[in-house]
Formats: sequence, C-alpha cells, structure tokens
Amino acid sequence: AQSVSQHNHHVILSEAASLELGCNYSYGGTVNLFWYVQYPGQHLQLLLKYFSGDPLVKGIKGFEAEFIKSKFSFNLRKPSVQWSDTAEYFCAVNENNNQGGKLIFGQGTELSVKP
Amino acid sequence: KAGVTQTPRYLIKTRGQQVTLSCSPISGHRSVSWYQQTPGQGLQFLFEYFSETQRNKGNFPGRFSGRQFSNSRSEMNVSTLELGDSALYLCASSLRGTVTDTQYFGPGTRLTVL
Repeated sequence: AQSVSQHNHHVILSEAASLELGCNYSYGGTVNLFWYVQYPGQHLQLLLKYFSGDPLVKGIKGFEAEFIKSKFSFNLRKPSVQWSDTAEYFCAVNENNNQGGKLIFGQGTELSVKP
Repeated sequence: KAGVTQTPRYLIKTRGQQVTLSCSPISGHRSVSWYQQTPGQGLQFLFEYFSETQRNKGNFPGRFSGRQFSNSRSEMNVSTLELGDSALYLCASSLRGTVTDTQYFGPGTRLTVL
C-alpha cells in the first residue's frame, strides 16, 4: 500500500537557522506531491505542490521543495526560519491513477522555532 | 470567498450513538474529501465525493458513510460510535477534483466519544 514517511517528528530550531524536513513515499508510479502546514489554531493550508516540470518548486513564505524521483523524496526547505514558522508540516501524495481527491499524508513534523 | 465551513465544531457523544457531520465547500467547488486526524494515526483519508458520487474510499469500516448533495454540500455519518472514533474530522474541497487540484481544508469537527 502506498505510504508517506516523514523522518522527523519534532524539530527545534533557532531563528535564522536553515530548515530541511524529509519526506519519502512508497509508490512507484506517477505521483503528485504536496506540503501542507497547520499553524497553531488554524486550518491546514497548502505551502506548495509538485505535479510536473521543474523538480524544484517554490511555495509561499519562502519555502521550497525538491522532488527527487530516484529517491522517492520530496524534502521541504527554507534557508532561514522565523518564529512565525512554528507549526506542524505535513507531506502528502496523490497518485495519478486516482480519480481525484485522495491525499495520503505523512505523520507530520512539528517545528518549533525559538526566538 | 468564504472558506470551507464545518458544523458543528465540537461534539460529545457516547458509545453506540450515531453522529452526522456537515461540510459546506467553497462556492463552485465540486469535490469534497473527508479525513480523520488523530494523534496516533495522523491524517487518514475517509472518502471523496464528486458530483454526488463517492469516487474514492479509504480503509474505514462500513460504520463510516457519507453523501453529497446537488449543491456540493456533504455530510458524513458514523454509526455505532466507538471510543476510537474520537478524532478531529476534516473536510476539504477542491474545484475540479483532479489529482493535481489543491484541497482547501475546513477547521474540522472535534468529536469526543465517551
């Protein structure tokens, strides 16, 4: 069965540190990849997504992610985090052979940024 | 544009009861997906509806069901509640319901089963 793994459950960084959150998926076919973020007390919202083209995708708030097909990975990066980036981050996959909105999520990574 | 709305926001039920949760998608969105979020299992896909038809289904027992109305509003029902059904139930809508579509999430309904 298709699955998504996020390697870090909780990451603690100081402001201005660089961030990289790992995400690996298990499906060998064509997939569409998403990173969602859930700020404290807010809804899940999309950070960025990849479905074709340039494997380096840029999202909101300075986030970017790189799709590496050979490694089945879609890691999220930000060069310099801010206190306001404190949130839970979810990687998700939707297979191309699905008919529509069936996202498979990773377990999530909680990011705490110390001011 | 108003976002995805879910009602009620909080529910407390006892084992054996049934519950119905409601989701109103963003205006014009035709696909509605439901997810269960728990600390132990994370976010798990329940089912997706498009044009009043269930298109995808996750690995949940038949006690979990749903439907979609002609105005795209959706309801999910859980019968014979169990303690393990305590969770945050999230609804998400997307415009065309394609695999590349962004899903927009609502605030969720927090269900507690006693």
